[in-house]
Amino acid sequence: AQSVAQPEDQVNVAEGNPLTVKCTYSVSGNPYLFWYVQYPNRGLQFLLKYITGDNLVKGSYGFEAEFNKSQTSFHLKKPSALVSDSALYFCAVRADNYGQNFVFGPGTRLSVLP
Amino acid sequence: AAGVIQSPRHLIKEKRETATLKCYPIPRHDTVYWYQQGPGQDPQFLISFYEKMQSDKGSIPDRFSAQQFSDYHSELNMSSLELGDSALYFCASSLQDRAYEQYFGPGTRLTVT
Repeated sequence: AQSVAQPEDQVNVAEGNPLTVKCTYSVSGNPYLFWYVQYPNRGLQFLLKYITGDNLVKGSYGFEAEFNKSQTSFHLKKPSALVSDSALYFCAVRADNYGQNFVFGPGTRLSVLP
Repeated sequence: AAGVIQSPRHLIKEKRETATLKCYPIPRHDTVYWYQQGPGQDPQFLISFYEKMQSDKGSIPDRFSAQQFSDYHSELNMSSLELGDSALYFCASSLQDRAYEQYFGPGTRLTVT
């Protein structure tokens, strides 16, 4: 079975500081990993994905994530947070050998304080 | 670029009524997925279709059914609505051989009163 954990319900960071939103996963095959962002009353916006290749993935809006196979993690990072980054962030996983649907984590609410 | 279109964007129904949600995938995408996101919850996979056939099934209640049509659009039919069905319903689409690249629509917010 596939599962995703986001251990922090809420992350607070000051504007201009680096941010990290944590994600760990469990799959039986090779993982495909994703980060999505959701603003209030809006749909899911794709940020970045890891399929294969370099462990460091760069995505939209200056975000990046590092795939760590030994720690089964895919933490989202940004060197300098903006107030406009405040939103709900979802990590998602799909195994390469199991179905097609994504399994989402519970979400982490990021608040960037001015 | 064209995105996934969902209609209606908002829907209010009473208990025991029926609702139909529509999803129009990105042009040339042949696979459609439905997700349900309850208040304060993460999206949960309901069902997916490829070439008009159900390809995968998640936690979709028996009161719900869905289908995909020849133009690849999909409809989610919900009957005997319950208060707990109030949620944001997302549709996503992809190419079958690139199912890891799912593009999500804006969602339909269903409120059951």
